[in-house]
Amino acid sequence: DVKVTQSSRYLVKRTGEKVFLECVQDMDHENMFWYRQDPGLGLRLIYFSYDVKMKEKGDIPEGYSVSREKKERFSLILESASTNQTSMYLCASSLGRSEQYFGPGTRLTVT
Amino acid sequence: DQQVKQNSPSLSVQEGRISILNCDYTNSMFDYFLWYKKYPAEGPTFLISISSIKDKNEDGRFTVFLNKSAKHLSLHIVPSQPGDSAVYFCAASAHRAGGTSYGKLTFGQGTILTVHP
Repeated sequence: DVKVTQSSRYLVKRTGEKVFLECVQDMDHENMFWYRQDPGLGLRLIYFSYDVKMKEKGDIPEGYSVSREKKERFSLILESASTNQTSMYLCASSLGRSEQYFGPGTRLTVT
Repeated sequence: DQQVKQNSPSLSVQEGRISILNCDYTNSMFDYFLWYKKYPAEGPTFLISISSIKDKNEDGRFTVFLNKSAKHLSLHIVPSQPGDSAVYFCAASAHRAGGTSYGKLTFGQGTILTVHP
């Protein structure tokens, strides 16, 4: 059974804090993705990675960075959290152009 | 620039009837399309996909239709069940010229489907 796990389901942080969101997949997928989901905007791609240490910007990378030191782990970093980064964050992985498998999401609130 | 659009924010259907969810796209490079279903507090789960070489793909109660000339796809659910109540996202993938897309998807805004018993 395929599995994508995210480090936290709910997170509350203060403005200006550095925030780490971790994602782990056990399917040996080469591609991993970070999205945020906001009402009326759907899922928007923040960053993705197609190999260890390789990454590309998605549609809304500003204010975020990522790290992929191991194939199974992909981290999203908010360098200095702001209130407009309050959102649902979703991690996914895929093999080639096949369907993406998603984690359960992290609901981040920045106050 | 919304390349994938789901113009209906919500849809309400009676149990047993057909649900039709629509999706339009603008990028003619998209050649692979997917539908995902999302329950609250869960990640999206893959439902069904279609390649641009086909115009229909069926899987049980779910059928996806693709009209390339109109840049339009639809998901039909027959018969609809209360457990189908969820947010449905369509997504599209483009094959990048000279390389791979790495499976990157562009999602629509989602449609909330409510199936009443």
